[in-house]
Order: sequence, then C-alpha cells, then structure tokens
Amino acid sequence: SQQGEEDPQALSIQEGENATMNCSYKTSINNLQWYRQNSGRGLVHLILIRSNEREKHSGRLRVTLDTSKKSSSLLITASRAADTASYFCATASNTGNQFYFGTGTSLTVIP
Amino acid sequence: DTAVSQTPKYLVTQMGNDKSIKCEQNLGHDTMYWYKQDSKKFLKIMFSYNNKELIINETVPNRFSPKSPDKAHLNLHINSLELGDSAVYFCASSPGTGFTDTQYFGPGTRLTVL
Repeated sequence: SQQGEEDPQALSIQEGENATMNCSYKTSINNLQWYRQNSGRGLVHLILIRSNEREKHSGRLRVTLDTSKKSSSLLITASRAADTASYFCATASNTGNQFYFGTGTSLTVIP
Repeated sequence: DTAVSQTPKYLVTQMGNDKSIKCEQNLGHDTMYWYKQDSKKFLKIMFSYNNKELIINETVPNRFSPKSPDKAHLNLHINSLELGDSAVYFCASSPGTGFTDTQYFGPGTRLTVL
C-alpha cells in the first residue's frame, strides 16, 4: 500500500502540553499536507509544506519535513481541548497524479 | 456562504439499489474530488475532475460513475450498491490541479448499505 503511516495512532495529553505527531511515507513527493478532522465532520486543511521546505509554522502549529527520511512531524504547542480531533498527513506525488492520506493520529486533549 | 456542500448528509439504502450523492462548490475552483473514508478512517481518493474533465480515476469499481455538469458540481452515482460501499464519502475542491494546493472538503455523506 502507498498509504503513509502515522504514529502514534492515538495520543492523549493534558491541556497546555505539546502534542507531536509523526508521518512516514514511501514515494518522492511534491508536497505534504496536514489535515484535521473533528468527529463526524469533514477535513480541514492545516499546513502544506513543499518538498524543498524543511519547516513551516502557522499559529501554534509547526511542521517539519525530512525528505531524506521520508518523514514529517506536526507539533501543536500549548494544546487546547478544542484541538481534540484526528490528524492526517497526505502526500502529493511528484507526478501530480497521486495523493495518499496517512492512517491518522487521534488526539485527545484533556481539559 | 457554504464553500463545499454535499447532499444528502446521510443515505441508508438496500443492496442492489442505485443512488447519487451531489456536491457543489462556490469557491470558483477548477478541480473537484471524491474521497472514500472507511470504517477504520482510511481515506482514499476515488476521482479527480478538472474543468469538467476526468483527470484521475483510481482503482474504483465501474459501478461508481462521477458526473460533472459544470465546473461547480461533481456528483457521484453508484449502481448496484454493495455492503462494502458503506462508508463516508467526501467531496473536495481546490484551485489548481496535481494536488499542489489546499483542498477544501465538504461535510461528508455517510452511506449505509443494508
């Protein structure tokens, strides 16, 4: 399967703590994207990082990309209960015609 | 001011029936997609349309047929529904092609085949 792997599968932390999720993938990519999915809802785009970028920030989110290791991480700082959701990475191939989601990390932030 | 909308939100039907799910986007985007999310939350792309033309068709049974009457609509028609078709189906859109842009997702349609 071309689907990326994410770990951990599930993560439970206290409000205020940082949460780190990792994504590994298999093929060469044009970009890697992170999405959030609240229970029973659609996906919301968080960050897109291109293959020639190493780090990107957006508010409390920090994404890193290591193309040599074919891996990415998403860090959420100072977590809030509202961050409770599933987080997915997705990779876009260099050919532009393949897009694979990872297996997802379920994050629970305890108030 | 809904960006990507899908109807219906829930769809319960018997095996063997034919059903359609509608999707509309008011973002002026050129590309629209259909995704399937199974019970284990695995998401997989099914189709991608750019300006009403099919550009990606993953390995999907030909019982699934996307129809794009115009750039703002991409409907999914499913013939002879099977139990394994039960899933949540998401429509999405993006400004460009090749998955190089942010995709905006609809709220999903939960299909249950009995």
